Formats: sequence, structure tokens, C-alpha cells
Amino acid sequence: GENVEQHPSTLSVQEGDSAVIKCTYSDSASNYFPWYKQELGKGPQLIIDIRSNVGEKKDQRIAVTLNKTAKHFSLHITETQPEDSAVYFCAASPIGSGTYKYIFGTGTRLKVLA
Amino acid sequence: DVKVTQSSRYLVKRTGEKVFLECVQDMDHENMFWYRQDPGLGLRLIYFSYDVKMKEKGDIPEGYSVSREKKERFSLILESASTNQTSMYLCAITGTGNTIYFGEGSWLTVV
Repeated sequence: GENVEQHPSTLSVQEGDSAVIKCTYSDSASNYFPWYKQELGKGPQLIIDIRSNVGEKKDQRIAVTLNKTAKHFSLHITETQPEDSAVYFCAASPIGSGTYKYIFGTGTRLKVLA
Repeated sequence: DVKVTQSSRYLVKRTGEKVFLECVQDMDHENMFWYRQDPGLGLRLIYFSYDVKMKEKGDIPEGYSVSREKKERFSLILESASTNQTSMYLCAITGTGNTIYFGEGSWLTVV
């Protein structure tokens, strides 16, 4: 069935270093790829998203890249800070196809060490 | 800002009890969802609704039902709670461009 694989499951980086989280999707109809940050005890918050007609999108210290041919997309966080510590989820969805289906990755726990 | 409110944040219920989890949105959106989140399993869709009184099963509907009597409110019902339903439950809506927005979550423990 359709799935999204997310790696790594845990990631520790030193403050100021960069962090990269990768996701691979299987459904070629997917055309929308959001990333969520979930802090302890809270619901996931949308931090950045990308649609299939764009290869890269940036918002301050975070960026997302998409390779449609290889069916993978990545989250890049530069100059990491302790408040970036959280669980990050990727997702893929074929929006506009009449379905409301989102497939989520299993999450990456990021720890930024001060 | 999109606001999705889950009124019960932490609940402890006994096996066999009926449990209601309420979700309210203030953005007049049609689509509402209930997910379950478990460690290592990610987010799994239980039910969703695309209009008042309309519902569709997600990937894991067994043991759950839902109610959508008003557009802004979507309820998840556990008719007879069991210990394997101990989990975090997330309500979500789709906003502009079908972007999905989540509530803060409801932690349910069934003892």
C-alpha cells in the first residue's frame, strides 16, 4: 500500500549545526508535501510545505527540497537552536484528486544539544 | 489563525466506559478528521467527515464511531473503551489549499 518512509527516527545535533530529515513516498499521485513540528504535549504544527510544481522552498532557517523523480523530499534546518528540539513529521497527499488522504511518516525526534 | 479546539486534554477512563472526545473548529471548514497517534506507528486516520452528518471510515475505524451534527463540531465516540485504545487522539481540519491543521490532542488512558 501507499506509505511514507522517514529517516532518521532520532537525530542529535550540536547547537548551530544543520539538521536534515528525509522522507520517501510511494504514491506517484502525491503532489503536496507538508512538514509538521510537534513539541511535547502538543499537537503537530505546520512549519513548511511544498507542492509538486516547486523543487525547493525556504522560510528563514528551514527549507524543504523535493525530488519528484526519486519520490523523496527533505527538511533542512540550519543554525539549529535548542527550541528546534521536537518531533518532526513529513506527509504526502494527492490533493485535488477528490481524496482527503494524507500519509504521514513515523516521525523524527530531533535533539539540539546546547 | 486556524483554531481547532479539543476540549478534553487528559482523560482516564475505565474499561467498558463510553468515551466522547469533542473537537470544535472556528473556520467554517467542511473537512474534519480524527487521528490516533502511537509511538512508532505515526498518525493513523480513524474517521473523517466532509460535511454535516457525513462520515467516512479511515484506516482504523474499528471500535470507534463519530458524530457530526453541526459543521463546527466533530465528535469521536468509543462505545466501550478498551485498554488498547489508550493513545493520543488528534482532531484536524483542512484549511485553504487542503492544508491540514491539528488540535492540541487528547490523551486518553483506559484502565
